[in-house]
Amino acid sequence: GDSVTQTEGQVALSEEDFLTIHCNYSASGYPTLFWYVQYPGEGPQLLFRASRDKEKGSSRGFEATYDKGTTSFHLRKASVQESDSAVYYCALSGYTGANTGKLTFGHGTILRVHP
Amino acid sequence: EAAVTQSPRNKVAVTGGKVTLSCNQTNNHNNMYWYRQDTGHGLRLIHYSYGAGSTEKGDIPDGYKASRPSQENFSLILELATPSQTSVYFCAAGDRDSGNTLYFGEGSRLIVV
Repeated sequence: GDSVTQTEGQVALSEEDFLTIHCNYSASGYPTLFWYVQYPGEGPQLLFRASRDKEKGSSRGFEATYDKGTTSFHLRKASVQESDSAVYYCALSGYTGANTGKLTFGHGTILRVHP
Repeated sequence: EAAVTQSPRNKVAVTGGKVTLSCNQTNNHNNMYWYRQDTGHGLRLIHYSYGAGSTEKGDIPDGYKASRPSQENFSLILELATPSQTSVYFCAAGDRDSGNTLYFGEGSRLIVV
């Protein structure tokens, strides 16, 4: 079945540091890939998504590029802020005939940014 | 964007009791989902639905039932709650028209004692 692997369980950075969170997936065909962000006390919300090989998704300074060759969708941000502290989830939506639309999520990465 | 609301937001239940978590969405999405969130496991799919009257098993359906009486409402039912079901539950809605983006509620925190 489909699966998503996030390498980092927790990341601690200082403001203005560069962020990378690694995401690799396993799925047949061309899944849609997502990054979601979850702030304390809230539900996950879409950061951005990508549907095709080499497509770059971006939002709020975060970006990731769909790489079918390496089955990856790594999240990057050049300069993090304290307000970026949250849990980040990589996810995929695969099609197997019927449009289930269900997302398979990674385990999440807790990002803490210190001032 | 979808507005997804869940109730109750917090619930303490006794072992063996029945718990119903309710979810309402206002943007007419066809598909609705129930996930649970646990440290070390991320978000795991319990049940989902394609529309009124349909329910499907997700990845971890044991111990849970679901009901979709209308397009707007989707409930998760724990007939005999157990402490292992202590978790935060999220409802989500979406469909092909939303690019399969899911819109989540704010979560329901359930503690089973």
